[in-house]
Amino acid sequence: AQKVTQAQTEISVVEKEDVTLDCVYETRDTTYYLFWYKQPPSGELVFLIRRNSFDEQNEISGRYSWNFQKSTSSFNFTITASQVVDSAVYFCALSGEVKGGGSQGNLIFGKGTKLSVKP
Amino acid sequence: DSGVTQTPKHLITATGQRVTLRCSPRSGDLSVYWYQQSLDQGLQFLIQYYNGEERAKGNILERFSAQQFPDLHSELNLSSLELGDSALYFCASSRDRNSPLHFGNGTRLTVT
Repeated sequence: AQKVTQAQTEISVVEKEDVTLDCVYETRDTTYYLFWYKQPPSGELVFLIRRNSFDEQNEISGRYSWNFQKSTSSFNFTITASQVVDSAVYFCALSGEVKGGGSQGNLIFGKGTKLSVKP
Repeated sequence: DSGVTQTPKHLITATGQRVTLRCSPRSGDLSVYWYQQSLDQGLQFLIQYYNGEERAKGNILERFSAQQFPDLHSELNLSSLELGDSALYFCASSRDRNSPLHFGNGTRLTVT
């Protein structure tokens, strides 16, 4: 069965600190996709990144970076020089191999990590 | 703004009632997904439609049903509502099955 574990329920940091959000996943699929979504206090879900299982290159987008390690089944998310606007709940998600009628959209979400960035 | 529109934003109703949640996908997106976010269960996939046809089912109760219309908008119908159905219901859309999801702002349902 597929599973996503975000062991950190809540994290609190002071502005400008770096913070890493952990995500560990379980799947038997050989091809799969990993995602991060952000849910700010306003409630919407914002897509941040998608990674497929064959691409282990780390990715950087501004202050955000992602570290995908297949050997440890982890897909961690780091925010550098955090800002108050980064305060949100962050979700890691997994989808299985797209075959037949399947879709990347049938996501298994972790429970989320609530990040609070204090000024 | 994701481009996915959900109405209404808030809905308060009583147990036993029936409600309909509406979703308009992003322009050009053929797939629509419904998710439920509750304190107990977290974010759960309910159902997917692609170009009017049901494609996949997740943890959707029999009291719930959905459809996607020819103009690609979708409706999620929740009937015989129970207190435990109180949750945030998200709609998401994608261009095709290989594309990532973009979520709407959700409909917050409160059952009293």
